[in-house]
Amino acid sequence: GAVVSQHPSWVICKSGTSVKIECRSLDFQATTMFWYRQFPKQSLMLMATSNEGSKATYEQGVEKDKFLINHASLTLSTLTVTSAHPEDSSFYICSARRGIANQPQHFGDGTRLSIL
Amino acid sequence: GQNIDQPTEMTATEGAIVQINCTYQTSGFNGLFWYQQHAGEAPTFLSYNVLDGLEEKGRFSSFLSRSKGYSYLLLKELQMKDSASYLCAVRENAGNNRKLIWGLGTSLAVNP
Repeated sequence: GAVVSQHPSWVICKSGTSVKIECRSLDFQATTMFWYRQFPKQSLMLMATSNEGSKATYEQGVEKDKFLINHASLTLSTLTVTSAHPEDSSFYICSARRGIANQPQHFGDGTRLSIL
Repeated sequence: GQNIDQPTEMTATEGAIVQINCTYQTSGFNGLFWYQQHAGEAPTFLSYNVLDGLEEKGRFSSFLSRSKGYSYLLLKELQMKDSASYLCAVRENAGNNRKLIWGLGTSLAVNP
């Protein structure tokens, strides 16, 4: 159990394009989902925490108008990178957690975003 | 402030035992997680400790001492596929969202 699906796996697009990434919990209801960014050989950087039905909580330094997060249901959260630029190129990973806080986060396979 | 320390790199031999240490300084503590991450892939959950002591799960064990702000991950009977980055993460008492504070990870290389 605890399978998280993230789509797409790879995105290559032109500068100025908006990109939507989906994160789905396939076999459990995820009260909370997290969006991370990871640069090569670096650790995970939390971008925002998303709770179903409410606004996401963004970490300091993360532009909420740039990275739009929607958590419309207990099984789906989306991250939209608006007007993406080359500096937005990175590995984006979502994770989902069941309702109880001591449950582990289960990660999707990640999305590798390359902006040309 | 928040700080989680792990060794950057470790090397071990196939079949051996390796211990990866993690020390933490956080404003609160509500559990410690270990994750494994292979290159280019997302992390996978290994273990969770919230009380002092050793949690064993197959070839992997994790230990916690809250008074010392210390944990270790023990890997036995190392296999080549264990070559990966191992991430230590602490959950603070940070309100409803209960986010994790992540270490930078320990890159483990298992040699034949």
